[in-house]
Amino acid sequence: GAVVSQHPSWVICKSGTSVKIECRSLDFQATTMFWYRQFPKQSLMLMATSNEGSKATYEQGVEKDKFLINHASLTLSTLTVTSAHPEDSSFYICSATLSGSRNEQYFGPGTRLTVT
Amino acid sequence: GDSVTQMEGPVTLSEEAFLTINCTYTATGYPSLFWYVQYPGEGLQLLLKATKADDKGSNKGFEATYRKETTSFHLEKGSVQVSDSAVYFCALSAFNTGKLIFGQGTTLQVKP
Repeated sequence: GAVVSQHPSWVICKSGTSVKIECRSLDFQATTMFWYRQFPKQSLMLMATSNEGSKATYEQGVEKDKFLINHASLTLSTLTVTSAHPEDSSFYICSATLSGSRNEQYFGPGTRLTVT
Repeated sequence: GDSVTQMEGPVTLSEEAFLTINCTYTATGYPSLFWYVQYPGEGLQLLLKATKADDKGSNKGFEATYRKETTSFHLEKGSVQVSDSAVYFCALSAFNTGKLIFGQGTTLQVKP
């Protein structure tokens, strides 16, 4: 149980285009989902916290107009990287918490974004 | 603010050696503590956790004890295998926000 999927697993796009990444909780309802960014051989950096039906809360230094997050249902959150540039190339990981549980997060497998 | 510090890697061990990866934290209140493992090309998997002082988390031969007096949560395994080669992340979760704060990760390489 507690499986989180991401789609796509990898994507290559051209500079200036937008890319959408989906995060789904497959067998549970997730009131809260988190989006992280991981640079090569570095730790995960929290980008934003997404609660179903409300606006995402972004961490300091993360551009909310560039990284659009939508959490339309209890099983789906999306991250859209708008007008992507090569410096946005990274590994994006989502996680989800079970409804009623604040502490344990279940992670998706990640999405590798390469912007050319 | 809250933070997690891990020992720098990479750590290279021979199979069946004893493993220790140090982790210390700084936090207000009483956080929960976690170890996550990331195998090559995969996402993070929860390895073990502890939610209060003196709790011991254990899984797959790995152990870590929540030490409030030393603000530490060191990961140990008595006999590592080649299949344990991965990146290990120590993390804390603040009780009031549920946000995870990660250490920088420690790469473990186990040689046959």
